[in-house]
Amino acid sequence: EVVMTQSPATLSVSPGQRATLSCRASQSVGSNLAWYQQKPGQAPRLLIYGASTRATGIPARFSGSGSGTEFTLTISSLQPEDFAVYYCHQFNDWPRTFGQGTMVEIK
Amino acid sequence: QLRLQESGPGLVKPSDTLSLTCTVSGGSISSTGHFWGWIRQSPGKGLEWIASVYYRDHTYYNPSVKNRVTISIDTSKNQFSLKLSSVTAADTAIYYCARSVIITRFDYWGQGTLVTVSS
Repeated sequence: EVVMTQSPATLSVSPGQRATLSCRASQSVGSNLAWYQQKPGQAPRLLIYGASTRATGIPARFSGSGSGTEFTLTISSLQPEDFAVYYCHQFNDWPRTFGQGTMVEIK
Repeated sequence: QLRLQESGPGLVKPSDTLSLTCTVSGGSISSTGHFWGWIRQSPGKGLEWIASVYYRDHTYYNPSVKNRVTISIDTSKNQFSLKLSSVTAADTAIYYCARSVIITRFDYWGQGTLVTVSS
């Protein structure tokens, strides 16, 4: 199966600053990658799909890039509601797999 | 607005079968191009896709549970279900039902239901 590795495990960022999260696939997944945000006690929420397309209602401060095996999620100016865990997910191969998550915490 | 709601027992005994149902409202489970799936999250751990189904009975399973899992769909009730047999403590998790666009991204999720495997 395709192993998704996210880094760092925890990212400490001050409000208003930029956050850059990485996701690496063990083999190419093309652009078949999504990003999700999860807050405590809630289900994941789709942010980005197709590596770079924002889902409906997602603010422009969230952007995704990359293809093949290297992907990045950037939050340009962190808002208080953005502190959460972020997961990448590949839907190129079976079984579908997720990264282990990056927690974005307040610095 | 599409809503998904999981239901089922919160406690299952080891070696028994875990059975969950997801009720879909605000949209049809027979809609073209949409698959319906189950994802679980073990306490303090990440997300694991378990299975997906299309209303025409196309099913897809994670090999990690393939011999124990069945996903099915009931279009008359706008529901889909998960059965996981021979459960152990390792199956303790929050189980989410979700919709995927074709078999790609999961765009709508239920709130999740915690299932604990314990005697």
